Amino acid sequence: DAKTTQPNSMESNEEEPVHLPCNHSTISGTDYIHWYRQLPSQGPEYVIHGLTSNVNNRMASLAIAEDRKSSTLILHRATLRDAAVYYCIPFEAGNMLTFGGGTRLMVKP
Amino acid sequence: GAVVSQHPSWVICKSGTSVKIECRSLDFQATTMFWYRQFPKQSLMLMATSNEGSKATYEQGVEKDKFLINHASLTLSTLTVTSAHPEDSSFYICSAREGTGHQPQHFGDGTRLSIL
Repeated sequence: DAKTTQPNSMESNEEEPVHLPCNHSTISGTDYIHWYRQLPSQGPEYVIHGLTSNVNNRMASLAIAEDRKSSTLILHRATLRDAAVYYCIPFEAGNMLTFGGGTRLMVKP
Repeated sequence: GAVVSQHPSWVICKSGTSVKIECRSLDFQATTMFWYRQFPKQSLMLMATSNEGSKATYEQGVEKDKFLINHASLTLSTLTVTSAHPEDSSFYICSAREGTGHQPQHFGDGTRLSIL
């Protein structure tokens, strides 16, 4: 499994954009980059995933570096409900998700 | 979106009791289901992977006789914690995936198990 490095925690102000970085320098060429988040006392929630191109959905955007050794999850306008632990997970098709420490995002009103 | 229902959401029971947790995929057929455990302030740890109709594959250090997993249909998997003890108290989370490609895994809301 590719190793990931994420900041332990980040802070943001409500209604401002948040950029959550992830380094995955040992990622293989076929690994997709998945992002999940876990709100307190809940199971993880799928956010977004991509392979090479940047991706957008209703929840967030995913910017993937050209060399694929890093990616950034972008929340365009943080809300209090976005306070959670965010996990970046390189994922090979057919395998299972392996969770690291993630980034705890705190959103200030 | 894909929904995974997990039941019960919490359970408190006496030491020595066996506890069954159910995990259902409500609007898709789950080729593979996963069981995770999470201790306070820690990340999720994979316990086992199961495919419908097959025996579960357990991660190293997880006792298969203690954590019985049954995946009898494409929409239901159960985890039974047998003869539970206080050290088994944890947050148990199931997950399901449709297909074997790069599709996302979808998670239940977890079961908080407290053994007295």
